Amino acid sequence: SQTIHQWPATLVQPVGSPLSLECTVEGTSNPNLYWYRQAAGRGLQLLFYSVGIGQISSEVPQNLSASRPQDRQFILSSKKLLLSDSGFYLCAGTGNRGYTFGSGTRLTVV
Amino acid sequence: AQRVTQPEKLLSVFKGAPVELKCNYSYSGSPELFWYVQYSRQRLQLLLRHISRESIKGFTADLNKGETSFHLKKPFAQEEDSAMYYCALSRGNAGNMLTFGGGTRLMVKP
Repeated sequence: SQTIHQWPATLVQPVGSPLSLECTVEGTSNPNLYWYRQAAGRGLQLLFYSVGIGQISSEVPQNLSASRPQDRQFILSSKKLLLSDSGFYLCAGTGNRGYTFGSGTRLTVV
Repeated sequence: AQRVTQPEKLLSVFKGAPVELKCNYSYSGSPELFWYVQYSRQRLQLLLRHISRESIKGFTADLNKGETSFHLKKPFAQEEDSAMYYCALSRGNAGNMLTFGGGTRLMVKP
């Protein structure tokens, strides 16, 4: 079965600092991968999705970027964090049995 | 554009009472709808999907295309049902990405 590994669980970063959140997939080949964000009091918003290595689609304009250097690796990055980037970030993947989610990263930008 | 609306951010009921978590959607195509649940300190996981027409943990949800609704129901709530519930819609296009509602926190009181 598919498992999504995501780290770190929590992160506190100063404004203007870079960001790199990593998501890796176990148990499936060539999954579709997604980055979602949940801001305080709001639902899950799709940020990026990838259907294969090097293929990234962005759903909303923002201060973030994503990359997929390997089939089972999906990275969320920022060169300079903003206060508004604070939130809960979830990585998800689709396999044979639908969506699987990571445990999430709570990012606080101070 | 597709949208999923969960009008209640918080729903509090007593144990044994019926519970209904509301979900309305807007989508021009044929939607595939899901309910996801996140229990305390656990990952987001699939509860049920409309095409399966199944009952999971006593919960059922019927897709009403006329009212564009997919409400989640359970006749007798249990304390262990306390969790965050998300309604989601699959657009069925590239990546089969999910659009989530804002979520409803269900609290079942003893």
